[in-house]
Amino acid sequence: QVQLVESGGGVVQPGRSLRLSCAASGFTFSSYAMHWVRQAPGKGLEWVTFISYNGRTQFYGDSVKGRFTTSRDNSKNTLYLQMNSLRDEDTAVYYCAREGDPRHFDYWGQGTLVTVS
Amino acid sequence: QSALTQPPSASGSPGQSVTISCTGTSSDIGGDNSVSWYQHHPGKAPKLMIYEVNKRPSGVPDRFSGSKSGNTASLTVSGLQAEDEADYSCSSYGGSSNYVFGTGTKVTVL
Repeated sequence: QVQLVESGGGVVQPGRSLRLSCAASGFTFSSYAMHWVRQAPGKGLEWVTFISYNGRTQFYGDSVKGRFTTSRDNSKNTLYLQMNSLRDEDTAVYYCAREGDPRHFDYWGQGTLVTVS
Repeated sequence: QSALTQPPSASGSPGQSVTISCTGTSSDIGGDNSVSWYQHHPGKAPKLMIYEVNKRPSGVPDRFSGSKSGNTASLTVSGLQAEDEADYSCSSYGGSSNYVFGTGTKVTVL
């Protein structure tokens, strides 16, 4: 079965960096586009990034553009999110999600908490 | 891109129906059929319930249905059950390589 497991969250000071990982299993990872979605405390879900199946195309939400970078290693079935210049408002649970056709999120991980403080 | 607008809460007794609205603009919901809905229990992974406005993934009960009119999409849960108590969020492709989510609705089964 499809499984997505995020890791790398924790407490980090403002201005510092953190890298999240998402380990995928149960499907052909290299065939699917992937996303990062976050949920701040008491807030709704917010789309963060998209990366194409081969890693050649990335898109970013306005709130993270220029600070966050998404990448993937298809040989390791792993998705990454490099977060730089972190701000208080980046505090959230970060989920990785697989893209279904067309343009929805068909499987999600359980999330990893990032606290910027 | 602004978040889609959902009511903060909705409720119904077991066996009743509840409908959640999701209002966007002609740039997202009104201009694209990639509206989807997610069920989210605290501490768990969100679950896809509806995609492409009204399609159900395998395993999702047919008590869940979706529709769209203009810039507003809706999720209806018929025959409410205790396990349906959760947060529900809508989503739409917003054009220009952007995706947008709703503000979220907490459904309570009375």
